[in-house]
Amino acid sequence: RKEVEQDPGPFNVPEGATVAFNCTYSNSASQSFFWYRQDCRKEPKLLMSVYSSGNEDGRFTAQLNRASQYISLLIRDSKLSDSATYLCAVRSNFGNEKLTFGTGTRLTIIP
Amino acid sequence: EAGVAQSPRYKIIEKRQSVAFWCNPISGHATLYWYQQILGQGPKLLIQFQNNGVVDDSQLPKDRFSAERLKGVDSTLKIQPAKLEDSAVYLCASSLAYGGTSYEQYFGPGTRLTVT
Repeated sequence: RKEVEQDPGPFNVPEGATVAFNCTYSNSASQSFFWYRQDCRKEPKLLMSVYSSGNEDGRFTAQLNRASQYISLLIRDSKLSDSATYLCAVRSNFGNEKLTFGTGTRLTIIP
Repeated sequence: EAGVAQSPRYKIIEKRQSVAFWCNPISGHATLYWYQQILGQGPKLLIQFQNNGVVDDSQLPKDRFSAERLKGVDSTLKIQPAKLEDSAVYLCASSLAYGGTSYEQYFGPGTRLTVT
């Protein structure tokens, strides 16, 4: 089983719709969780960290479910500019900054 | 603030040749990472430096890959000899510190390597 798994998609979603992605992780000792956004032929950029209590940043909401070992990302009122690949990343060892990434989920927002 | 710089941006080589990539992290960032991202996959950590010391190189194919970070600033990643399966984007990232606190990793634009 992969350490971090994501549905690669693609997800083709009409503009204005709500879309959600999940990401599962295998190591129950994982400490920190992140969502990165990667545009085509660009580097990954941190979208948001995922906290135990969940967190929201504008149209984006991230949730953590430790019992089921997954994190989720919800995008509301999707915009054309949200089209990108969304990578989840997990940091397993406290004090070790190593990130393990999923394969990414490709999202295309359709006008 | 200047970001992470990498060069070259693109490189095409034949298999069995050697190649080197250069990375200059954000000023003041003690931790530097090299990732390999194969098309359709997420980045995979190759090596992590804290200042000029290696923290993690467990996924670095040491028979052909080497990396150094002299003086704790710039870093180079070398592949010798290259194989077809080394075709990928090589991403360098840096973060402010290491240990105890989740510092954001900032990625450079990457070097796209094609091995023919």
